[in-house]
Amino acid sequence: KNEVEQSPQNLTAQEGEFITINCSYSVGISALHWLQQHPGGGIVSLFMLSSGKKKHGRLIATINIQEKHSSLHITASHPRDSAVYICAVRPLRGTASKLTFGTGTRLQVTL
Amino acid sequence: DVKVTQSSRYLVKRTGEKVFLECVQDMDHENMFWYRQDPGLGLRLIYFSYDVKMKEKGDIPEGYSVSREKKERFSLILESASTNQTSMYLCASSWTEETQYFGPGTRLLVL
Repeated sequence: KNEVEQSPQNLTAQEGEFITINCSYSVGISALHWLQQHPGGGIVSLFMLSSGKKKHGRLIATINIQEKHSSLHITASHPRDSAVYICAVRPLRGTASKLTFGTGTRLQVTL
Repeated sequence: DVKVTQSSRYLVKRTGEKVFLECVQDMDHENMFWYRQDPGLGLRLIYFSYDVKMKEKGDIPEGYSVSREKKERFSLILESASTNQTSMYLCASSWTEETQYFGPGTRLLVL
């Protein structure tokens, strides 16, 4: 079993829909990251969080440390949101800077 | 803006060749990382460097070596390329425990 599990693996939505991507992890962590990867490969960091909730534009990320679960929400989705969304955790054990990654959720938003 | 650049976007090599992938960052980050990304497996850490001339093995170091002679530059070396090293290679850099910034990736095909 992977230490970081994402669901769903693939998601298709229509423009304007509210989208939720889930991430569950099995180890104690100091932080969780949400990353976005567009076709072509480049990865950008969306959020780093260790508690509560963060919001940036139409993106909202939440984390429940007790339940070892995080969600990424996209409100009023748009075709430009089509990308792979990756959850990564920084485990408490091990080297402070290393991350463990989920396998990603591929999102396609259609007109 | 942080910039992480990689020496090639696409590379085709033959089995047995020695391959150099180079990564340069311009933000004076202590940490630099080499990952490979394969479908269904997500990002896996090959090697990590936390300072000049310092390195630590990641999850899949076999068949790879690294070099960090200057703070801004981190090289990944495939001593004798094999077909199972065909993959997308991503470099990243960060300050300790902070957000990782990724390069655009190198898609390597070993024939």
